[in-house]
Amino acid sequence: AQSVTQLGSHVSVSEGALVLLRCNYSSSVPPYLFWYVQYPNQGLQLLLKYTSAATLVKGINGFEAEFKKSETSFHLTKPSAHMSDAAEYFCAVNGWRGSQGNLIFGKGTKLSVKP
Amino acid sequence: DVKVTQSSRYLVKRTGEKVFLECVQDMDHENMFWYRQDPGLGLRLIYFSYDVKMKEKGDIPEGYSVSREKKERFSLILESASTNQTSMYLCASSFQGSIYNEQFFGPGTRLTVL
Repeated sequence: AQSVTQLGSHVSVSEGALVLLRCNYSSSVPPYLFWYVQYPNQGLQLLLKYTSAATLVKGINGFEAEFKKSETSFHLTKPSAHMSDAAEYFCAVNGWRGSQGNLIFGKGTKLSVKP
Repeated sequence: DVKVTQSSRYLVKRTGEKVFLECVQDMDHENMFWYRQDPGLGLRLIYFSYDVKMKEKGDIPEGYSVSREKKERFSLILESASTNQTSMYLCASSFQGSIYNEQFFGPGTRLTVL
């Protein structure tokens, strides 16, 4: 069965500092992996996705993530945090419910950015 | 531009009321989902539907029902609202033929039950 673990429910960084949000997955089949972002009182928006084409995936707003099969990880990074990056971030892996495709979400990491 | 819309951004209801949350997508997606989101618990799947008039229970279906009469519309019904159903409700849709199962989300409805 597929599962996702996000390490750290809250992460705080200073503006301009490196952002690192951790995601580890478990999957019995080759995974497809996603990062979504949720700004306050909004829905989830896709940041980036890994579809096996390249292990380093670039997304919107300067974020990127690297798929590491040996570590079963898909950590999200951004070299320099901006105040507007303050949001909640969700990692997800493709899964199945019966015969129907689905996404399995982590519990989320809330990112705070200090001036 | 793909769109998932939800009927209300904010809703306040009283205990015992029947509540309807509506979701509409314009992408001709087969699959639609209802989640609730609570602090520290992430997204929890309530119900999903993979075809018109078809529905499947998710992880927390108790106290909820759903209706899908048309492909583009998926409704979540709280038969008798209770205070523990105060939450953020998110609707999503996905294309059944996709191997990635990417989901597209609406803006959410923040429901408060008094």
